[in-house]
Amino acid sequence: NAGVTQTPKFQVLKTGQSMTLQCAQDMNHEYMSWYRQDPGMGLRLIHYSVGAGITDQGEVPNGYNVSRSTTEDFPLRLLSAAPSQTSVYFCASSQRANSNEQFFGPGTRLTVL
Amino acid sequence: RKEVEQDPGPFNVPEGATVAFNCTYSNSASQSFFWYRQDCRKEPKLLMSVYSSGNEDGRFTAQLNRASQYISLLIRDSKLSDSATYLCVVKPTGGGNKLTFGTGTQLKVEL
Repeated sequence: NAGVTQTPKFQVLKTGQSMTLQCAQDMNHEYMSWYRQDPGMGLRLIHYSVGAGITDQGEVPNGYNVSRSTTEDFPLRLLSAAPSQTSVYFCASSQRANSNEQFFGPGTRLTVL
Repeated sequence: RKEVEQDPGPFNVPEGATVAFNCTYSNSASQSFFWYRQDCRKEPKLLMSVYSSGNEDGRFTAQLNRASQYISLLIRDSKLSDSATYLCVVKPTGGGNKLTFGTGTQLKVEL
């Protein structure tokens, strides 16, 4: 099992550009989520999904969209990048919505100029 | 006030030392508690869950005090490989799997 994979590992964008961060898991997990990690802030939940076709907003959803067309994939779209979105983005999955352990991908380091 | 508060450290300790980290949480309805470990520039990984009666996993002991809304992690006989950031994580009641993370406490174990 590859676990949770994320692409790209690094990305530099200009303000106003859009892009999609990819996340995939091969563990047949129902629950997937996106977090961002900023210095001094801890990880914050952006969006989450309890299963294919179902998504919901987390703590900091503005500026981001998600979709969950398959169990495996949960892409995060930045609609119009802003410098405030410079961060490290982690995708995570767990077997169920109430499972104790979440498995994180290796992260995407995004810089918006 | 942050929902989960931790001393950021760094804690610099010699190999073999015992070190303890503390964490407080503000939501009294919180349901589940965890310690995650994050190595530099890597993803967080679950270290251990924290149970009301306290629990131990090898050199690691976790304690929960619901009355004081306080969680602790004790590491005995520190190893160089224990150097990492330790994240206190809380899951609120009815929150599905929406975790609330502390900012982390950095541990550096030195020779």
